[in-house]
Amino acid sequence: DTGVSQDPRHKITKRGQNVTFRCDPISEHNRLYWYRQTLGQGPEFLTYFQNEAQLEKSRLLSDRFSAERPKGSFSTLEIQRTEQGDSAMYLCASSTTGTDSYEQYFGPGTRLTVT
Amino acid sequence: GEDVEQSLFLSVREGDSSVINCTYTDSSSTYLYWYKQEPGAGLQLLTYIFSNMDMKQDQRLTVLLNKKDKHLSLRIADTQTGDSAIYFCAETDPQGQNFVFGPGTRLSVLP
Repeated sequence: DTGVSQDPRHKITKRGQNVTFRCDPISEHNRLYWYRQTLGQGPEFLTYFQNEAQLEKSRLLSDRFSAERPKGSFSTLEIQRTEQGDSAMYLCASSTTGTDSYEQYFGPGTRLTVT
Repeated sequence: GEDVEQSLFLSVREGDSSVINCTYTDSSSTYLYWYKQEPGAGLQLLTYIFSNMDMKQDQRLTVLLNKKDKHLSLRIADTQTGDSAIYFCAETDPQGQNFVFGPGTRLSVLP
């Protein structure tokens, strides 16, 4: 296993279009997180899954954002009716409850540009 | 809510030690982490420390934790040009569910 992967790495879309991003976590990791990172900032938490259950969502996650992890493996993050303010790097991370330290491993991110 | 603060910039000369500082507000923080981010890349976990420890050393990296003052530092010995990156401090609750990241410190290593 080579780590967390994300697809696509870059996405340019016009305002008002829908976009979907995919994250494949490290295979034995049961937790999966989505973050958004804008220039000069640290990652901001969006949502988190344990197995297939979405356990927490940030208030940053408006109704236009939805995330799924249907079989407890890969996850998708969809943004509907994109706005220019959605332009950011979207990061996925995974971790396991099998260790006490909960350390997260990040993917390379998907950079979204909304024109 | 929880907050994590870091100074935004640090410049050091190659071969010197770098010390990156972080403060946090959540007294229930259980684990504290240091991540490194290079341009255009995701975050790479460097090291972490449990809140009942006050120091952890891993090769060139030394983490110091002052739980009373809620202050965390990362010391990089013999800093190299390849250490130039943004360093993020992060903390999590005892269940490892809610992670809060600082704004990052941009380390520039001068030859």
